[in-house]
Amino acid sequence: EAGVTQFPSHSVIEKGQTVTLRCDPISGHDNLYWYRRVMGKEIKFLLHFVKESKQDESGMPNNRFLAERTGGTYSTLKVQPAELEDSGVYFCASSQVMSEETQYFGPGTRLLVL
Amino acid sequence: GQSLEQPSEVTAVEGAIVQINCTYQTSGFYGLSWYQQHDGGAPTFLSYNALDGLEETGRFSSFLSRSDSYGYLLLQELQMKDSASYFCAVRAANDYKLSFGAGTTVTVRA
Repeated sequence: EAGVTQFPSHSVIEKGQTVTLRCDPISGHDNLYWYRRVMGKEIKFLLHFVKESKQDESGMPNNRFLAERTGGTYSTLKVQPAELEDSGVYFCASSQVMSEETQYFGPGTRLLVL
Repeated sequence: GQSLEQPSEVTAVEGAIVQINCTYQTSGFYGLSWYQQHDGGAPTFLSYNALDGLEETGRFSSFLSRSDSYGYLLLQELQMKDSASYFCAVRAANDYKLSFGAGTTVTVRA
């Protein structure tokens, strides 16, 4: 069974540009989470999808971030326009049910905004 | 909100035992998890405690004391491949997101 995959693995963009990150969860997992780790600090929650619906988006930093999960399969996270402080590692995780104690993480996308 | 404290670094020799402590503050508590992350890799689940006591999984064990808002991860018979970052994470009651500590970098020396 394939794990959570993320694309791209790395992205370097200039301030003001747009970047779109993609996450493919484990097949059959209805729950999809986005997290971010900035500057070696703690991994912080961004948002949670259940199928195509946003269950919790309390961690989204501002309206420059837009997440979608059309069709309830893969998800995209768009940053537009990117700022320097958006640099970090963006992780996606999935789980089959909300109450599941384990979330399965992808390898992350390393974003550098110059 | 939630906050978690764990040491930033631990160094030990092969074969040794390392204990990584985690204290947390949370509004409601559901469980404490531990994740391992090797450089450039995905955080991978190690263990989960919802009730007080010790959970053992091979060389790794995890402990929880709900009354003390405290847990630890015990790494035994350390191997070089155990060099990684270890994160504690809590789930609050009626919530499904994880709140992470800043991570502990474990370095195993020969």
